[in-house]
Amino acid sequence: GAGVSQSPRYKVAKRGQDVALRCDPISGHVSLFWYQQALGQGPEFLTYFQNEAQLDKSGLPSDRFFAERPEGSVSTLKIQRTQQEDSAVYLCASSLAATGSSGNTIYFGEGSWLTVV
Amino acid sequence: AQSVTQLGSHVSVSEGALVLLRCNYSSSVPPYLFWYVQYPNQGLQLLLKYTSAATLVKGINGFEAEFKKSETSFHLTKPSAHMSDAAEYFCAVIIKAAGNKLTFGGGTRVLVKP
Repeated sequence: GAGVSQSPRYKVAKRGQDVALRCDPISGHVSLFWYQQALGQGPEFLTYFQNEAQLDKSGLPSDRFFAERPEGSVSTLKIQRTQQEDSAVYLCASSLAATGSSGNTIYFGEGSWLTVV
Repeated sequence: AQSVTQLGSHVSVSEGALVLLRCNYSSSVPPYLFWYVQYPNQGLQLLLKYTSAATLVKGINGFEAEFKKSETSFHLTKPSAHMSDAAEYFCAVIIKAAGNKLTFGGGTRVLVKP
């Protein structure tokens, strides 16, 4: 597709429910990122994939958060046993380059808005 | 340690006035620097980026930013604000030694008064 596509755009989950958020990056992009943006805050890094390899998951806040990109294209962020503090916008981004050494542009999707009630 | 700091969480400007958004970074090595804009209920759109070429970078929608190593700054400016500039603006860095990820500042919300 022309841009980074995320689904669902909006999700309301009951506390304790599991959710799965999907990201379809720009075709051919090697790098894929997930960010969490709480209301009124800047995005916070969650995890990074280079093709299918998850090279950095240092930002995942707990073991309830899990991300995968099994075929090196589409990625899913899964949150188990959701809590109210998980309410945020989850942004997916992709870039053509495998590393940041060239300062390649990172393109963002419109986000998945998660509300846990 | 905070890698990027945006001074002022809210800025109010009159239509036609100068827009100045401040960003300072902390890194011993000049990083790659970016400004993104976020309109309500939308994702992030790249305005401009600095990747160690020209220190004055021109972006979309009339915005520009100047990298000043001595001041560790990358402030964003636009000579004349338009109503459509009302949005949230994020400064971000890639620290070359810290991998590929963008680290964002806290954002500055711009309000444009008619």
